[in-house]
Amino acid sequence: NAGVMQNPRHLVRRRGQEARLRCSPMKGHSHVYWYRQLPEEGLKFMVYLQKENIIDESGMPKERFSAEFPKEGPSILRIQQVVRGDSAAYFCASSTLGGQGANYGYTFGSGTRLTVV
Amino acid sequence: AQSVTQLDSQVPVFEEAPVELRCNYSSSVSVYLFWYVQYPNQGLQLLLKYLSGSTLVKGINGFEAEFNKSQTSFHLRKPSVHISDTAEYFCAVPSENQGGKLIFGQGTELSVKP
Repeated sequence: NAGVMQNPRHLVRRRGQEARLRCSPMKGHSHVYWYRQLPEEGLKFMVYLQKENIIDESGMPKERFSAEFPKEGPSILRIQQVVRGDSAAYFCASSTLGGQGANYGYTFGSGTRLTVV
Repeated sequence: AQSVTQLDSQVPVFEEAPVELRCNYSSSVSVYLFWYVQYPNQGLQLLLKYLSGSTLVKGINGFEAEFNKSQTSFHLRKPSVHISDTAEYFCAVPSENQGGKLIFGQGTELSVKP
């Protein structure tokens, strides 16, 4: 029973390129959350998705960042025209329940560490 | 709005010594509280959670935490630490406004020395 799978584990991009981060939730989980961890900081919420729907994107930067969770396949966090400030660890988590049900805790992936050079 | 404050950014301690990692929260609604551990270059793993009931919560790896409503605290403790406990520890509380979103503290880096 695989956990939350994120790939790649490490991603290096030059400034101006695109970064695509993938997250496959645990089997049976239909709710996905993305968080960003900047160096020396805690995790900050970015976006909450269900299959084919964005439920809460209040933590997403207004430009260059987008997320999707299609009916088939993993959730994708896409960063266009990356800048050095995008360098961070990006974590995905999944749960069986959304809303208040997720208050019972959810499962995190191992993260993708993005380095922009 | 809710917030989580972890009072110590770094806690160095010798092996087999006791440790307490402090967490204070602010929330105007029913409180759920979590502690997560992050080992180097890994994701977050749930250590323990308080949902209701007994205020003393036992978690994995010998850790426990006590929910104190009057002091709005949820401090994490272990009576005797091991080298392998070296990691970053995060306290978290669910967002009041949006279901499922967690608010994290800044983290406490526990460094266990031989």
